Amino acid sequence: EDKVVQSPLSLVVHEGDTVTLNCSYEVTNFRSLLWYKQEKKAPTFLFMLTSSGIEKKSGRLSSILDKKELFSILNITATQTGDSAIYLCAVETGGTSYGKLTFGQGTILTVHP
Amino acid sequence: DTGVSQNPRHKITKRGQNVTFRCDPISEHNRLYWYRQTLGQGPEFLTYFQNEAQLEKSRLLSDRFSAERPKGSFSTLEIQRTEQGDSAMYLCASSLGDRAKNIQYFGAGTRLSVL
Repeated sequence: EDKVVQSPLSLVVHEGDTVTLNCSYEVTNFRSLLWYKQEKKAPTFLFMLTSSGIEKKSGRLSSILDKKELFSILNITATQTGDSAIYLCAVETGGTSYGKLTFGQGTILTVHP
Repeated sequence: DTGVSQNPRHKITKRGQNVTFRCDPISEHNRLYWYRQTLGQGPEFLTYFQNEAQLEKSRLLSDRFSAERPKGSFSTLEIQRTEQGDSAMYLCASSLGDRAKNIQYFGAGTRLSVL
């Protein structure tokens, strides 16, 4: 059975801190790993990673994938209160019927002023 | 708004009743997915369509659940004889179905409460 595990499950920091969120996986037919941010609405797409060692960056957020050790990290620097959300890691699997996402439990990030 | 649209946003029903949810994907997207999310958990895959064809169903999708996408555009998810354990957020997502970069974009979900 495909499995995605995120850690920590929750994290409380102050504005300006840097955080690292972890995602490990055990799946068959890996295709890609995706990060989403979920506030009180739709999960919004952050990154898709398919190759090891290539860092994706968007402003204060960055992510990297290690396909040998089967994990990914999401870094957020200089956190702001608007970063408070649930961060979801998902792995896309599938051969010919690709597209199914298996999600981790999510990391609840709370950023205090 | 050209994103994924789901209706209704909230549904309260009594145990044993049937409910139906609707999802309108992003217009050029040929793939449509349904997920279920309970409190404190990540979304769980239920089923997905490529155009009007239902390509995969999770074993989570009991025979009380049925999904359709009759013309390859919007989709409906019906739950018959609802049970309290069906209470959850039902999320819909759509994608272009690009083999190289199949990014799924999510709707805001329908929150179901079964009393």
